[in-house]
Amino acid sequence: GQNIDQPTEMTATEGAIVQINCTYQTSGFNGLFWYQQHAGEAPTFLSYNVLDGLEEKGRFSSFLSRSKGYSYLLLKELQMKDSASYLCAVRVNILTGGGNKLTFGTGTQLKVEL
Amino acid sequence: ETGVTQTPRHLVMGMTNKKSLKCEQHLGHNAMYWYKQSAKKPLELMFVYSLEERVENNSVPSRFSPECPNSSHLFLHLHTLQPEDSALYLCASSQTTFHEQYFGPGTRLTVT
Repeated sequence: GQNIDQPTEMTATEGAIVQINCTYQTSGFNGLFWYQQHAGEAPTFLSYNVLDGLEEKGRFSSFLSRSKGYSYLLLKELQMKDSASYLCAVRVNILTGGGNKLTFGTGTQLKVEL
Repeated sequence: ETGVTQTPRHLVMGMTNKKSLKCEQHLGHNAMYWYKQSAKKPLELMFVYSLEERVENNSVPSRFSPECPNSSHLFLHLHTLQPEDSALYLCASSQTTFHEQYFGPGTRLTVT
């Protein structure tokens, strides 16, 4: 089966840096995604890692260590609009039908304060 | 219209009703998905379609019946639902099942 863990809630200050961690235990792993979801809205794609290391995308960066089953999302220069839920999702192979699917964590609710 | 659209945005139905949710993607993608999102629970994959063929049924009860008539449209037919089926139902699409997914705004379903 799949098991994905991330903190339930985090609070940070505007202008600061925050790191949201995600650990996973899974079989057939072939990539990890981060999504942002504002309250009452659809998730939107933020970042993707398939190899170990850091991927940078503006104020957002994501890191992956496949040997440790660990990823983090780093948000710099926090803004109030960054208050949202951040979802970690692991991509695995579909054994029977072919192709791939995502398994999501419960999400980390980030609150950015003044 | 661009992106992924879903109709209706809100739906209230009784346990004996039959209704359908509709999803349409304008991105030229070949894979489409149905997810269920309940409060305090992870986003839960229901079905995966790739090139109009269902490749994953994630142990979903038969009262949920998907249909993918072409690569741009996906339906979720609902019948004899239970109150615990009340949730946000999200549709998503991607270029292939290997690529990042783009989500629609969801249908908020309430079963009374």
